[in-house]
Amino acid sequence: QKEVEQDPGPLSVPEGAIVSLNCTYSNSAFQYFMWYRQYSRKGPELLMYTYSSGNKEDGRFTAQVDKSSKYISLFIRDSQPSDSATYLCAMTLKRGNNRLAFGKGNQVVVIP
Amino acid sequence: NAGVTQTPKFQVLKTGQSMTLQCAQDMNHEYMSWYRQDPGMGLRLIHYSVGAGITDQGEVPNGYNVSRSTTEDFPLRLLSAAPSQTSVYFCASSYAGTGDGYTFGSGTRLTVV
Repeated sequence: QKEVEQDPGPLSVPEGAIVSLNCTYSNSAFQYFMWYRQYSRKGPELLMYTYSSGNKEDGRFTAQVDKSSKYISLFIRDSQPSDSATYLCAMTLKRGNNRLAFGKGNQVVVIP
Repeated sequence: NAGVTQTPKFQVLKTGQSMTLQCAQDMNHEYMSWYRQDPGMGLRLIHYSVGAGITDQGEVPNGYNVSRSTTEDFPLRLLSAAPSQTSVYFCASSYAGTGDGYTFGSGTRLTVV
C-alpha cells in the first residue's frame, strides 16, 4: 500500500464552483501536511501548510486535516480559471525530516 | 531573483551516456532534495541532503549519485542513462525541512533514447 493515496482522476468544474480534493494516508506518524499547486510545465509551489487536525483558511482555500481518519482535504471556493492546475498533497513525519511523501496529484480544470 | 535554479531545462541523452543535472539555490537553505515526476506516479524522492557534506538516499536512488560540497549547490549525476530514467526532474530546497518552506525549481525534462 502506497503511503499517500490521492485519486488522480481529472476534475472539471464550472467557474464559481467549489473544488474538493482529498488524500488518505497509511502512516499515522505523519505530522505535517501540505498542498502544492503545479501549473503545466512548472515546478510545484506551496499552497497550504498545516500541522494540527482541523481547518486552516487562506483566502479562497481551506485545508482540512483529520488525523484520526488519516484524511486530508483541500477546498477551493469560488473557483477561477486561474485555479486550473494539478494539486498535489504531501506530508512528512516531523520537523527536520527532509522526506516528503506525495500523492499522485489531481488535475483540476475550471471552465469559464 | 531568489529561488532554485535548475539547468538544463531540456536534455536528450543516448542510452549509456552520463550527465549532471545542476541545481543551485541562493536562499541559504540547508535542506535540498531531488525528485522525479512521472505520469501516474507522482513525485518520488531520489536523494536528499540536510547540509553540506551530508546526503542520503530517497525512494528511488538507483542509477543516480549526488554530492553536496556547498550549501548552494546539489548536482544530480546520472551514471549510465537508461530509458527508464526518462522523466521530469525537480530540485527543491527548504530552510527547516518541514515542508513549510520548500521551494521547487522549474524542472529538467530528460529524455533517454
